[in-house]
Amino acid sequence: DTAVSQTPKYLVTQMGNDKSIKCEQNLGHDTMYWYKQDSKKFLKIMFSYNNKELIINETVPNRFSPKSPDKAHLNLHINSLELGDSAVYFCASSRSNKLFFGSGTQLSVL
Amino acid sequence: GQQLNQSPQSMFIQEGEDVSMNCTSSSIFNTWLWYKQDPGEGPVLLIALYKAGELTSNGRLTAQFGITRKDSFLNISASIPSDVGIYFCAGPANFGNEKLTFGTGTRLTIIP
Repeated sequence: DTAVSQTPKYLVTQMGNDKSIKCEQNLGHDTMYWYKQDSKKFLKIMFSYNNKELIINETVPNRFSPKSPDKAHLNLHINSLELGDSAVYFCASSRSNKLFFGSGTQLSVL
Repeated sequence: GQQLNQSPQSMFIQEGEDVSMNCTSSSIFNTWLWYKQDPGEGPVLLIALYKAGELTSNGRLTAQFGITRKDSFLNISASIPSDVGIYFCAGPANFGNEKLTFGTGTRLTIIP
């Protein structure tokens, strides 16, 4: 019954690998997001999709590619992982500026 | 870009104490949101404010939309152990925009 669910919860990988994080929401929202939270807990938006269309791309390296097969899903694929990509990545969906977050994916790049 | 600064950065209090924190912006906001993040979880919306001067409560939590529209305040009365976490203010980057800018966070710790 989780409203916004993302997998995996933890992801440990080597530099240079490619990895994906999946996100699904069952709230019926049209807008979904990816946020990055660094070690100091700053939350920064990366991407926003509205009804499968990209509407916000916050100067994120093009190694990060979001994909939205339908409005309930927004996946994040990351190519050639770097040490600085280590962070917690949150998926969210929204209606009327109220964001509902997933529980996060902690990515550790070794 | 817009910045939201929260203070204090961290608080160490005893159970039962009241808590006050604030959030200030470099520009005017039309909506203020307060979120709480528990360890290992995503932020959860606590209170939403839509008008300057508005005072809204959610149980022991009370938040206010500052008159200048550049600040907001969150108070927690009679804190309990489950209040531990990081509190974030947030607001839309631009009017009518669903992109939220988040504050720097206030970490609340309760000393036994």
